[in-house]
Amino acid sequence: NAGVTQTPKFQVLKTGQSMTLQCAQDMNHNSMYWYRQDPGMGLRLIYYSASEGTTDKGEVPNGYNVSRLNKREFSLRLESAAPSQTSVYFCASSATGTGGQPQHFGDGTRLSIL
Amino acid sequence: GENVEQHPSTLSVQEGDSAVIKCTYSDSASNYFPWYKQELGKRPQLIIDIRSNVGEKKDQRIAVTLNKTAKHFSLHITETQPEDSAVYFCAATPGANNLFFGTGTRLTVIP
Repeated sequence: NAGVTQTPKFQVLKTGQSMTLQCAQDMNHNSMYWYRQDPGMGLRLIYYSASEGTTDKGEVPNGYNVSRLNKREFSLRLESAAPSQTSVYFCASSATGTGGQPQHFGDGTRLSIL
Repeated sequence: GENVEQHPSTLSVQEGDSAVIKCTYSDSASNYFPWYKQELGKRPQLIIDIRSNVGEKKDQRIAVTLNKTAKHFSLHITETQPEDSAVYFCAATPGANNLFFGTGTRLTVIP
């Protein structure tokens, strides 16, 4: 049981380049999330998908797009990378239920924009 | 949206002592409060959580308390060990799926 798998683990981009971060979960969870983690700022939600076929903006969505490809996969796309998007990106998933549910995180993608 | 504040930002304790990390939240509708531990370069991992219908929860050396009236919750680690050294994050959610995280506490346990 792999849990939440993210690819790639590391990436260096030049300003203006585009790329897609991939995330897949094998826990049959309905909900998936993308966070960014910057020093001193904790985890901030970029986008989330409460269920297959739906996506919603989080706290910091500007400059990003997402696709919920199917129940297992949730991708994050940077269309035109900027240095301010240098960060560690975490994908997470959770079951859906009354009230909040524990979120399970992937190992993260360390992204540098030059 | 919800606003979660976490204190202190850094905490050093001697091995065997207790550590306490405190968080406050703003949305009285919040009803789920997890705590995550993140070791250097690793993923955040859930260590304990509490729901608003419970005032305290324990799991071995870790406990969490919740005061809904004051809108604050705390993590207590007793008999600290060097392997407890990590960054700890609190979070809250008003029933929706998305969590609002505090900014983290870096705990150092000195052998």
